[in-house]
Amino acid sequence: GENVEQHPSTLSVQEGDSAVIKCTYSDSASNYFPWYKQELGKGPQLIIDIRSNVGEKKDQRIAVTLNKTAKHFSLHITETQPEDSAVYFCAASTIFGNEKLTFGTGTRLTIIP
Amino acid sequence: KAGVTQTPRYLIKTRGQQVTLSCSPISGHRSVSWYQQTPGQGLQFLFEYFSETQRNKGNFPGRFSGRQFSNSRSEMNVSTLELGDSALYLCASSLLDRAQETQYFGPGTRLLVL
Repeated sequence: GENVEQHPSTLSVQEGDSAVIKCTYSDSASNYFPWYKQELGKGPQLIIDIRSNVGEKKDQRIAVTLNKTAKHFSLHITETQPEDSAVYFCAASTIFGNEKLTFGTGTRLTIIP
Repeated sequence: KAGVTQTPRYLIKTRGQQVTLSCSPISGHRSVSWYQQTPGQGLQFLFEYFSETQRNKGNFPGRFSGRQFSNSRSEMNVSTLELGDSALYLCASSLLDRAQETQYFGPGTRLLVL
């Protein structure tokens, strides 16, 4: 089955700086890659997703890049703000196999004011 | 549009008991998936239901089961609870059951097994 690795597990950045979280996947058939933000006591909230037919997608301060050849994708948050502090999860989905979404292990992002 | 709702939000059970969790998807969504979240194993897929049929199943024992009703609401059941079943159980809904469908998560049900 699919295996998704996520790095780093923790990340601290100064407010206003950029944050980058990286994920790699194992199944070349994976074709959908969402990113979720989870705040304490809440369920994961979709912040951006990318499908395999594009290499990059942006939504205001958030961007995701996908390299299908290398099987990795990254989340970029620019001009970070205190409310960006949360745990971020990457995930991958394939039309094959039984897993709906396979998640990475999460990155705890802390924005230092 | 209302989001995914899950009930109850918190639950305490003892070993050997069984538990039923409920999930109401976003209006119009027909696919419901369940995930287990623990500090040690992270987010793991349990199963997916679409049109009252189980479409996919993760690697969990048969003690974990679910069902979906004609209004797309779903329930999951865990029988003969074990301490290791303590977790946050998340429900996610999507319009269809296709692999690239965006999934929206509910707030979860936190289950503590004593």
